[in-house]
Amino acid sequence: NAGVTQTPKFRVLKTGQSMTLLCAQDMNHEYMYWYRQDPGMGLRLIHYSVGEGTTAKGEVPDGYNVSRLKKQNFLLGLESAAPSQTSVYFCASSYSVRAGGPEDHGYTFGSGTRLTVV
Amino acid sequence: DAKTTQPTSMDCAEGRAANLPCNHSTISGNEYVYWYRQIHSQGPQYIIHGLKNNETNEMASLIITEDRKSSTLILPHATLRDTAVYYCIVKGANAGKSTFGDGTTLTVKP
Repeated sequence: NAGVTQTPKFRVLKTGQSMTLLCAQDMNHEYMYWYRQDPGMGLRLIHYSVGEGTTAKGEVPDGYNVSRLKKQNFLLGLESAAPSQTSVYFCASSYSVRAGGPEDHGYTFGSGTRLTVV
Repeated sequence: DAKTTQPTSMDCAEGRAANLPCNHSTISGNEYVYWYRQIHSQGPQYIIHGLKNNETNEMASLIITEDRKSSTLILPHATLRDTAVYYCIVKGANAGKSTFGDGTTLTVKP
């Protein structure tokens, strides 16, 4: 049981380049999330999905796009990378059941993707 | 989701209890309190959650005040490996997302 797997783990991009970050979970979770974390800061929500084929904007969605074509995968795209997008990106997943129920174990996070845009 | 307020940093002696406070004075009736921690640069890890009753698991205890406006996460016997950033989050029963603040940096000292 791998949990939440993020690829790649590290990446250096040049300004203007594009890339896609992949998040895969094997826990049959309905909800998936993309957060970014800048040095010394907390996590900020970029986009999230409450089910296959659905996506929604979080706190800082500009410059990013997402897709949830399969339940187990959540992709984060950067169309034209900028130095301000240098950050650590975390993916997370959770069940869709009512909060506090017996299946509620909070979010399961991946180990992160460290992205540097030069 | 209700906003939470946590101290920026705290120290604790190894072997002693670590008590991490969180204020959530605008919490509503169907919102739960969740705690996570992030060790160094790893992904955050779920610790515990509760609605109004005190909760305990193998990692920690969660004490929620009767008016639910604040809570305390207790690590009963802190070890050096408990040094981390601890996040307190309030989340509605049917909310699709959670907002993480800046958390409390707990440093456990020998």
